Amino acid sequence: DVKVTQSSRYLVKRTGEKVFLECVQDMDHENMFWYRQDPGLGLRLIYFSYDVKMKEKGDIPEGYSVSREKKERFSLILESASTNQTSMYLCASGTYEQYFGPGTRLTVT
Amino acid sequence: RKEVEQDPGPFNVPEGATVAFNCTYSNSASQSFFWYRQDCRKEPKLLMSVYSSGNEDGRFTAQLNRASQYISLLIRDSKLSDSATYLCVVIPYNQGGKLIFGQGTELSVKP
Repeated sequence: DVKVTQSSRYLVKRTGEKVFLECVQDMDHENMFWYRQDPGLGLRLIYFSYDVKMKEKGDIPEGYSVSREKKERFSLILESASTNQTSMYLCASGTYEQYFGPGTRLTVT
Repeated sequence: RKEVEQDPGPFNVPEGATVAFNCTYSNSASQSFFWYRQDCRKEPKLLMSVYSSGNEDGRFTAQLNRASQYISLLIRDSKLSDSATYLCVVIPYNQGGKLIFGQGTELSVKP
C-alpha cells in the first residue's frame, strides 16, 4: 500500500517563527511536491523536486524554501511564518498520478 | 484567466441522478488530463485519467474535447458516497510534468 506521510496533522505557530513541515514517501518516487490549499483558490504548487538535492519553484514560492537531502524525504520550510501562510499544506509524490499525504493544517497567529 | 477553470458548485442532486461537470483549460499544448476526487478533510486521490477517445469506469465517464479545450466528467446513478469535491487536473506540455489543478467542483448527493 503506497504511503505518503506528513509530520503533523495540525500545527499552530507564532508570527516570525521558523516552521518545518516534513514529508516522507515509501514508493521510491523521484518527484515530490508541496502544495497549499485554500478555499476558493484550490491547490497551488509551492515547490517541487525531481531528484535529491534538486528543487524547482512552483507558482507561489515566496516565503518558502525546501530541502531534499534524501530521495524519500522532502521538507518545506517557512523561514519566518506570517499570518497569510495559514493554510492546509499537502505533500505529494509521483508523476502523472500523484499520491498525497494527509495534509498539515498550519495556523499562524 | 486561470489555467484550469471549474464551476465550484455546489451541485446538490438526489440519489440516482446523473450529474455532469465541465472543466476548461487555457493552454492548448496541454498533454494529459485527469479527474481527482477529494473527500471532506481528506487528501485528493486520482479518480480517473481522461483519454482523447473518452473513457468509462463503471458509473463514471470522462471525455476530452481538445478543439474546445474542455474536459467533462459524467456520473450516472449517483450514490451518497459520491459526495465529494472533484478536481480537474491538466498537465501542460513541456513544463516538467507539473500538474495544474482546478479549484474543484463540490458535489452533494442527497437521499
